[in-house]
Amino acid sequence: QSVLTQPPSVSGAPGQRVTISCTGSSSNIGAGYDVHWYQQFPGTAPKLLIYGNSNRPSGVPDRFSGSKSGTSASLAISGLQAEDEADYYCQSYDSSLSGSRVFGGGTKLTVL
Amino acid sequence: QVKLQESGPGLVKPSETLSLTCTVSGGSISSSSYYWGWIRQPPGKGLEWIGSIYYSGSTYYNPSLKSRVTISVDTSKNQFSLKLSSVTAADTAVYYCARHVPDNPNYFDPWGQGTLVTVSS
Repeated sequence: QSVLTQPPSVSGAPGQRVTISCTGSSSNIGAGYDVHWYQQFPGTAPKLLIYGNSNRPSGVPDRFSGSKSGTSASLAISGLQAEDEADYYCQSYDSSLSGSRVFGGGTKLTVL
Repeated sequence: QVKLQESGPGLVKPSETLSLTCTVSGGSISSSSYYWGWIRQPPGKGLEWIGSIYYSGSTYYNPSLKSRVTISVDTSKNQFSLKLSSVTAADTAVYYCARHVPDNPNYFDPWGQGTLVTVSS
């Protein structure tokens, strides 16, 4: 059971917009700690996609955006492309777990 | 740019100690701006942070693994290492090392390619 809750799967057709939620609590996201998002293709290492809630590292398309409100965060992908099919993980910090860095359970994005 | 590479045995027997090393290239592990971390991913499952270390040797560990984990650093070799004792089949996973941007924001970037460690007799 992950401290951060994500839907196991989401799907969308090419060109559509999808969002992936990441729900936490008052000891992590709700306490003001930043949320970060990673993209992982099968058999490869995760790659930082969004950091500090809404910032994109160099090279990440602006089709990817992040937001945070209250105890939740969201990753939005607009103009969905077949190459976006991957697993997505959110990550934050939890003050109730002796300073543990925590991940969501991951969401599998399927492009229909 | 900074690159990380994990190395170590791919097979460990139950009750023994798992040992991995991460070699950092393209940058100094002694940078004052970063920690260096280990994250693992059991087959078909999600990510779990194991712990992180500063070049001075200061460490943070996941409370659920703290009693079995030791992370150390060798600045002369630009490497940091992971030891996980008393392993069981539940410790079978791909182990990643990553540069850890600390405090708030607190994220991991970049990551090594990962190495699969199987615990089996």
